[in-house]
Amino acid sequence: DQQVKQNSPSLSVQEGRISILNCDYTNSMFDYFLWYKKYPAEGPTFLISISSIKDKNEDGRFTVFLNKSAKHLSLHIVPSQPGDSAVYFCAARIKAAGNKLTFGGGTRVLVKP
Amino acid sequence: DAGVIQSPRHEVTEMGQEVTLRCKPISGHNSLFWYRQTMMRGLELLIYFNNNVPIDDSGMPEDRFSAKMPNASFSTLKIQPSEPRDSAVYFCASSIREQGGYTFGSGTRLTVV
Repeated sequence: DQQVKQNSPSLSVQEGRISILNCDYTNSMFDYFLWYKKYPAEGPTFLISISSIKDKNEDGRFTVFLNKSAKHLSLHIVPSQPGDSAVYFCAARIKAAGNKLTFGGGTRVLVKP
Repeated sequence: DAGVIQSPRHEVTEMGQEVTLRCKPISGHNSLFWYRQTMMRGLELLIYFNNNVPIDDSGMPEDRFSAKMPNASFSTLKIQPSEPRDSAVYFCASSIREQGGYTFGSGTRLTVV
């Protein structure tokens, strides 16, 4: 039972354009969401997060949007750069249950120069 | 700080052999997590510890897998006997329990032939 799903396994975008990555979840108890970025042969690194009390969080070129009613979040990268080519994982947590993260399957992003 | 350190980086072993993966978390972090990454299942949590105590091992696939954390600076994940389907990248991560994000190690790529 996958509680966090990333339905697009891959995404290709031109440099300078917007990348939009999507993530859906089923557990309404999740109250904190994170995005991680992973390069080959490295561990995932934290990118950006959002609490369920917000619907948007922005950090430079990265913005995460949360739609609680739809149990959906998205990551926007604007403008996309070749260095953004990586696998992106969405993750969710129930704060009261501790700091265990449930991850989605990942989306591979390729930014073409 | 050197970050989360995992060893070995690569391990190739024959089916039936015992495999031990090692992890040194970041000093001061009180939570430690073992994840496995596969193409089919993405990043799945195997087990996690708070203050060296196992909290949730529901993700451990079967009795062939065991994990220990004898002290705050060291953890092992053991597979005995190993099988080809155990081939994956195994990640260790650590965090401060009260905070949201993890720091991952670079992973151990395990190949069982």
